[in-house]
Amino acid sequence: AQSVTQLDSQVPVFEEAPVELRCNYSSSVSVYLFWYVQYPNQGLQLLLKYLSGSTLVESINGFEAEFNKSQTSFHLRKPSVHISDTAEYFCAVSDQTSGYSTLTFGKGTMLLVSP
Amino acid sequence: DGGITQSPKYLFRKEGQNVTLSCEQNLNHDAMYWYRQDPGQGLRLIYYSQIVNDFQKGDIAEGYSVSREKKESFPLTVTSAQKNPTAFYLCASSITGPNTEAFFGQGTRLTVV
Repeated sequence: AQSVTQLDSQVPVFEEAPVELRCNYSSSVSVYLFWYVQYPNQGLQLLLKYLSGSTLVESINGFEAEFNKSQTSFHLRKPSVHISDTAEYFCAVSDQTSGYSTLTFGKGTMLLVSP
Repeated sequence: DGGITQSPKYLFRKEGQNVTLSCEQNLNHDAMYWYRQDPGQGLRLIYYSQIVNDFQKGDIAEGYSVSREKKESFPLTVTSAQKNPTAFYLCASSITGPNTEAFFGQGTRLTVV
């Protein structure tokens, strides 16, 4: 079984400031790692994922996340946020040994960007 | 355009009634999933299916039922046995395998009145 902990339920930040959304996981097996974003009253969209290889992964809109195996973390960062980044962000893991993409999610972090 | 369609977007149900949420995908994905989202709780897995006529319970299957008669469709029934059904329900699909991206529908918000 695995679990995901997102340490902050809300992160307020000013526009153009840097931000880090924290994610830690625990698992008895190897996992794949994902970050999803959800805008109000909408479904989730994949932001980025770590499957293997380089531990630093990037999205097309400036977010990046680094897989740290020793700390079992997958924190999400952006050097300069925009108002449009206001959304809820979910960290998720899937079991590498499973035949399914059944995701275990954290409780989410609401990123609130103000002018 | 390919994607996942959930309907309706908003649904109101009286206590004691069963209600069925629709989920259709045209992505040709084998696997489909239902998640429930509550404020501050993240998403929790209700049921999932990898092939037609086969499905497995997730973490919170009690009070729910599903069917998978067609590859494209995976309806979820919220039964009267579900004690707290008011929530946001999300359907997803993916190709088979744990390293694949799950694509989500826009969700159905169910409110018991």
